[in-house]
Amino acid sequence: GAVVSQHPSRVICKSGTSVKIECRSLDFQATTMFWYRQFPKKSLMLMATSNEGSKATYEQGVEKDKFLINHASLTLSTLTVTSAHPEDSSFYICSALGGGVRTEAFFGQGTRLTVV
Amino acid sequence: AQSVTQPDIHITVSEGASLELRCNYSYGATPYLFWYVQSPGQGLQLLLKYFSGDTLVQGIKGFEAEFKRSQSSFNLRKPSVHWSDAAEYFCAVASSSGYSTLTFGKGTMLLVSP
Repeated sequence: GAVVSQHPSRVICKSGTSVKIECRSLDFQATTMFWYRQFPKKSLMLMATSNEGSKATYEQGVEKDKFLINHASLTLSTLTVTSAHPEDSSFYICSALGGGVRTEAFFGQGTRLTVV
Repeated sequence: AQSVTQPDIHITVSEGASLELRCNYSYGATPYLFWYVQSPGQGLQLLLKYFSGDTLVQGIKGFEAEFKRSQSSFNLRKPSVHWSDAAEYFCAVASSSGYSTLTFGKGTMLLVSP
């Protein structure tokens, strides 16, 4: 099956710094990628939809200046958490849309962000 | 707006016993329905999905789910649970507009006892 790689798998950063998370589709091209945030004991919440070569579409309530998304190529989307604060600590998961005639969303393994 | 309810936060099943995880959805038209599994600290893996056709859907790892429109349900079943099935399971619904509308339930944690 199609593989989506997310890096890093976990990161600890200091308050006020920025962190970049990468999401790569390894064996297919993904014109659309999604970024989710998962709170403990909660469901996945869609943050934004990233389309290659265009600006991301953010869900209501998600600060686009804080969560910068770049989808520069058909295999890579990045999420940068700017000026991170402890409340940004969470599990971030990306998914990439692909699979040809059997299009489905393939998920990365997630990134555990801890802001101290 | 569409929504998904998974009434059970966690379920404990003995190894070898049968399993049923409940999922109810709210959506005005014919939904696209999914079950995903998440192991600790991992992303999500698709178990099965329903778009149309046969309402009994077979998935990977021996799982199946049945779409019941009259009950707005899409329950996940497995006849014999293995210890490796212990994980969190998410039911999700999407509209025909595509995966950008994917809405997840809060998940059910499956614990498997010896």
